[in-house]
Amino acid sequence: QKEVEQNSGPLSVPEGAIASLNCTYSDRGSQSFFWYRQYSGKSPELIMFIYSNGDKEDGRFTAQLNKASQYVSLLIRDSQPSDSATYLCAAPSPSGGSYIPTFGRGTSLIVHP
Amino acid sequence: DAGVIQSPRHEVTEMGQEVTLRCKPISGHDYLFWYRQTMMRGLELLIYFNNNVPIDDSGMPEDRFSAKMPNASFSTLKIQPSEPRDSAVYFCASSFWGSNQPQHFGDGTRLSIL
Repeated sequence: QKEVEQNSGPLSVPEGAIASLNCTYSDRGSQSFFWYRQYSGKSPELIMFIYSNGDKEDGRFTAQLNKASQYVSLLIRDSQPSDSATYLCAAPSPSGGSYIPTFGRGTSLIVHP
Repeated sequence: DAGVIQSPRHEVTEMGQEVTLRCKPISGHDYLFWYRQTMMRGLELLIYFNNNVPIDDSGMPEDRFSAKMPNASFSTLKIQPSEPRDSAVYFCASSFWGSNQPQHFGDGTRLSIL
């Protein structure tokens, strides 16, 4: 059973702080990882993709990957109230020639002014 | 570019009725996925298609659920008969093949079975 685990939260941080969201995965066959943001009542939207060990930065977002520890994280610097949303981690696993993502349950982030 | 298009956006119906959800994937995408999202269970994969062929329907909860993809630009998810526990948000997503290809989600259908 492929699993992707996330702390459901809510994670509450003050405006301007760094928000750290974590994700662990069970399938070592997963080679790339996605972070999606989902606002309440909306659909998931892609915000980050990472496939190499280490850090990947995009604006205020940094994704970190450690394949040995099977751990992925998302850092949001200078958090804004508009970052308040649920963040979903997804890990595609090989399956009969396809790559099918397993999603975590998501972490709810609240950024308060 | 048009994204994944789902209809209807909202559906309220009575228990026992047939419900049909529709999806138009992004043109050129090889894969189409149907998900169900609830607070209790999160985002669950129901079924996915590759080039219009159903590949894995192990996530379909019961025989009351069925899905079809008659061509590359259209898919349906049908529930017959519907039950209150089917109430959820149903998402359709599409993607290209590859481990580095993200899924693109439609706006979802919020289904309420009374």
